[in-house]
Amino acid sequence: DAKTTQPTSMDCAEGRAANLPCNHSTISGNEYVYWYRQIHSQGPQYIIHGLKNNETNEMASLIITEDRKSSTLILPHATLRDTAVYYCIVFRWGNYGQNFVFGPGTRLSVLP
Amino acid sequence: EAQVTQNPRYLITVTGKKLTVTCSQNMNHEYMSWYRQDPGLGLRQIYYSMNVEVTDKGDVPEGYKVSRKEKRNFPLILESPSPNQTSLYFCASSWGRVTDTQYFGPGTRLTVL
Repeated sequence: DAKTTQPTSMDCAEGRAANLPCNHSTISGNEYVYWYRQIHSQGPQYIIHGLKNNETNEMASLIITEDRKSSTLILPHATLRDTAVYYCIVFRWGNYGQNFVFGPGTRLSVLP
Repeated sequence: EAQVTQNPRYLITVTGKKLTVTCSQNMNHEYMSWYRQDPGLGLRQIYYSMNVEVTDKGDVPEGYKVSRKEKRNFPLILESPSPNQTSLYFCASSWGRVTDTQYFGPGTRLTVL
């Protein structure tokens, strides 16, 4: 599976948009980009995923560059409860190698 | 309510005493997996299962066993636990299809003395 690179940590003011970048320069054409977050020591929580088009749901937006080598997760109005570690993962479901790899992620701190 | 459950949530044991951590999902998911999480190392996959009786190793399978005799359950077995298996363990499940994602359990904190 392709690997990802994310900043170790970021701060964001409450109420502002949080933009979390992820580089995945070796992504394959059929691999999806997934974002999860983990609040303290709870189980990771799914946020959003996409292949090549930008995606939006009730939690966040995902912007994927045209060459698919990087993406940005956007939390439009960050709250204190969004403080968490955010993981960017590239993965393809298939009949082999279901190894879903979590990197170290980005620790986002939302500040009051 | 759709959920992944794990038991126990907390366990303190001693070296060499066999233990099993259970995982159950009520979503009829085909794919299930186990992860461990350690400070500075993130989440690492131990084993996964694509369906009943189909299991395979993840990144760190040494010292662990799994079984998948029925779709809803995927127990993690430590035959002879050692202190380096002290960790936070997560079970996850999914349909395993292209547009699907994984649902994680609440975690099991294991301490091996």
